[in-house]
Amino acid sequence: QITLKESGPTLVKPTQTLTLTCTFSGFSLSTSGVGVGWIRQPPGKALEWLALIYWDDDKRYSPSLKSRLTITKDTSKNQVVLTMTNMDPVDTATYYCARPMIGFAAFDIWGQGTMVTVSS
Amino acid sequence: SSELTQDPAVSVALGQTVRITCQGDSLRSYYASWYQQKPGQAPVLVIYGKNNRPSGIPDRFSGSSSGNTASLTITGAQAEDEADYYCNSRDSSGNLYVVFGGGTKLTVL
Repeated sequence: QITLKESGPTLVKPTQTLTLTCTFSGFSLSTSGVGVGWIRQPPGKALEWLALIYWDDDKRYSPSLKSRLTITKDTSKNQVVLTMTNMDPVDTATYYCARPMIGFAAFDIWGQGTMVTVSS
Repeated sequence: SSELTQDPAVSVALGQTVRITCQGDSLRSYYASWYQQKPGQAPVLVIYGKNNRPSGIPDRFSGSSSGNTASLTITGAQAEDEADYYCNSRDSSGNLYVVFGGGTKLTVL
C-alpha cells in the first residue's frame, strides 16, 4: 500500500521560513522514474503545483515561486522536504505531497494535506 | 494565472451526461489528467493519459482531447459526482513544469 503524509507547522509568522516533510511508504525514491511533488491549495481556491523531485535528484520548481522554494530528498528515510522562504499571509493554504505517475504529469497518490496558516 | 482554463461551474441533471473542459496550449503536446475533489478531502485522480482510469474509478468517467482542449465526460452523472474537478498537464515551455487548471464546480441537480 502506497501512502504519503505531510507534516510541519500549522502556523508560521510572516517572513519566516516554512519547512514541510513528506513521509512516504510503499515505494522508493531510488527507483528509476519515481518522483514526489508538492501542491498547495489556498482556502476556497484552486490547486497550485509547487515543486517536484525525482529519483535522480532532478528538481523542478514552479517558475513563479522558484526563488523561494527548495526541495530535497532523503531516500534512506523515505522523506521529501520542501522549504519555502519569506512566508506571507497569501501563502496560507493546505499543502499536499503527491506521487506523480511515471511518464505522466498525473499525481495518482496524494497525502491528506496539512493546513498552514501564515499570521502574526 | 493558470495556463489551463476551465469553466468555473457546470451543472447536470441526475443521470445525464456532462462534459467538463480544459483549454491550454500545452494540451496540443501533452495529455491532461483529471482530479475529483470533494470538500475537505484530497484530490483523487480519475483520468490520466489518453483515457485511462485508475483502479476503482467508475467507467462513467472518460477523457478525450482535441487540439488545445481536453474534456472529462461523466456519462450518467450520480449525486456523488458533485465535486470540484481539476485538470492538469505539463506547461507549454518544454521545461517539464506542471500546471493545474482553475477548477470546475460540478453541481448535480
